[in-house]
Amino acid sequence: QVQLVESGGGVVQPGGSLRLSCAASGFSFSTYGMHWVRQAPGKGLEWVTFIWYDGNSKFYADSVKGRFTVSRDNSRNTVSLEMTGLRTDDTAVYYCAKATDYGVSSYFQYWGQGTLVTVSS
Amino acid sequence: DIVMTQSPDSLAVSLGERATIKCKSSQSVLYSSSNKNYLGWYQQKAGQPPKLLISWASTRESGVPDRFSGSGSGTDFTLTISSLQAEDVAVYYCHQYYSPPLTFGPGTKVEIK
Repeated sequence: QVQLVESGGGVVQPGGSLRLSCAASGFSFSTYGMHWVRQAPGKGLEWVTFIWYDGNSKFYADSVKGRFTVSRDNSRNTVSLEMTGLRTDDTAVYYCAKATDYGVSSYFQYWGQGTLVTVSS
Repeated sequence: DIVMTQSPDSLAVSLGERATIKCKSSQSVLYSSSNKNYLGWYQQKAGQPPKLLISWASTRESGVPDRFSGSGSGTDFTLTISSLQAEDVAVYYCHQYYSPPLTFGPGTKVEIK
């Protein structure tokens, strides 16, 4: 069965950096796009970024553009989110989610359990 | 950006009664060449990640009880729970995947009356 396991969350000071990872299993990882979605405490869902199946195309929400970078390693079935210039409003649970095909216009078929990022001084 | 709105913000329904949630997009999410609405519904229970209920506005995911149904086209959509069960207490989100940035509605909290 499909499994997505996020890691790397923690507490970081404003302006700091953090790298999240998502380990995928149970499907042919290299043929599917992957999303990151976040949820601030007590708030709704916000799409963050998407990476194509081969990593050659990426999309970002305006709120993270220029600060976050998504990447993937198809040999290790992992997708990563490098976050720099972190702000207090980046505090959230970050979920990775499997797309339904290779493109960005896809819904979130499976979700991980999420990893909490707290940006605080 | 496509803005998604939902109504109501919350609703309390008696067990066995119908719950209806509305979702509206600021522009059409119907892709004319495929005649598909790029609209999904998710259920999120407390402390859990969201779970996909419905895709393409009306296609129920495998394993989702048939008391959940989706309808609508273009800009106006509805999620209906035909007979509310205790385990349906959750927040429900609509989501457009027509074009990036992908966006969600603010959520509707469903409780038992």
